[in-house]
Amino acid sequence: GQSLEQPSEVTAVEGAIVQINCTYQTSGFYGLSWYQQHDGGAPTFLSYNALDGLEETGRFSSFLSRSDSYGYLLLQELQMKDSASYFCAVKVSGGYQKVTFGTGTKLQVIP
Amino acid sequence: DTEVTQTPKHLVMGMTNKKSLKCEQHMGHRAMYWYKQKAKKPPELMFVYSYEKLSINESVPSRFSPECPNSSLLNLHLHALQPEDSALYLCASSQAAQGSYEQYFGPGTRLTVT
Repeated sequence: GQSLEQPSEVTAVEGAIVQINCTYQTSGFYGLSWYQQHDGGAPTFLSYNALDGLEETGRFSSFLSRSDSYGYLLLQELQMKDSASYFCAVKVSGGYQKVTFGTGTKLQVIP
Repeated sequence: DTEVTQTPKHLVMGMTNKKSLKCEQHMGHRAMYWYKQKAKKPPELMFVYSYEKLSINESVPSRFSPECPNSSLLNLHLHALQPEDSALYLCASSQAAQGSYEQYFGPGTRLTVT
């Protein structure tokens, strides 16, 4: 099976930078995704890493280290609307690929 | 059109009722998914359809019965549910079950079983 661990809550100030970590244990690792979910809303895709390194998409960046089974999501220039839950998710290979979500991190952005 | 729609938005049903949840996408995606999400928890995969065939069933109780009538539609038939089945049911789609990493989620159906 797979297990993914994230901090349960993070608080950061508007305009600052915050990093949300994700450690995983899985076999057949294929890639790591990040999703954002506002309260009462649907998860929305943010980024994906299949290879080691940093992927940047606007204010959001995601990093992966396959050797350390570790990744993080970096949010810059935080805005109040970034207050949401953030989930990492691993995709495993072999047959039909499926996605398993991490425990989730609730980010609160304060003025 | 990058939207996945789900109906109904809310559903309250008794333990003896039969109801269905519906999901639709018009992005030409060939993989569709059902997830269950309890409050403050991550989405949990229930079923995966690939090219209209059931490819993954995550040991879901038989009181949940999925159906994929065509490549755009996904249903979840509910029968004899338990109160602990109350949750947000999310539908998602992706270009394919293999090789695609981005899933598009619908807004979900909030189900309450009384």
